[in-house]
Amino acid sequence: QQQVKQSPQSLIVQKGGISIINCAYENTAFDYFPWYQQFPGKGPALLIAIRPDVSEKKEGRFTISFNKSAKQFSLHIMDSQPGDSATYFCAASIEGYSTLTFGKGTMLLVSP
Amino acid sequence: GAVVSQHPSWVICKSGTSVKIECRSLDFQATTMFWYRQFPKQSLMLMATSNEGSKATYEQGVEKDKFLINHASLTLSTLTVTSAHPEDSSFYICSASPGLASYEQYFGPGTRLTVT
Repeated sequence: QQQVKQSPQSLIVQKGGISIINCAYENTAFDYFPWYQQFPGKGPALLIAIRPDVSEKKEGRFTISFNKSAKQFSLHIMDSQPGDSATYFCAASIEGYSTLTFGKGTMLLVSP
Repeated sequence: GAVVSQHPSWVICKSGTSVKIECRSLDFQATTMFWYRQFPKQSLMLMATSNEGSKATYEQGVEKDKFLINHASLTLSTLTVTSAHPEDSSFYICSASPGLASYEQYFGPGTRLTVT
């Protein structure tokens, strides 16, 4: 079954702290793992993505860590800011298919 | 780059009427477009996938006669909600992908539909 499990459901982090969101997948055919950020009333925006040939990818304050053997990947937001308060979705896709399988989302609140 | 627009951003319609939502890729050609539905505080639910010039492929449980999808060109897809009912009220989001095998989907800003 193609499924992506995301945790936690919600997260409160103090300004300047590290936000960590985890995802686990079951289908080993998945080979593309993006993270999307969504603000209320807006569409999701691609934040960062990784393929399984690397274990980590960093873009600014956002880092994806990927553990192929554990079938897990996580998003780390360093120096979290109130402007990062949003819902974050992990997703997975299979080569040759554009269809994304989404996690259920994590509502992040960064307190000032 | 990779901008997707939706129109309208919100719409209110009466029960029994039909409403059309447009999705446009502004700076790239979208071979594949997707339509999602999102309920408050929930994840995105894929409704259908459409390729330019072909009939849309609907996900299980989505009524194809109620949610009509037309992907007439490489930059435009439309979703028509026919005979809308209050339970159709939701946030509808489209996304577009540059190619059949392209991983990346670029999402539109969404359309809030309220059926009274």
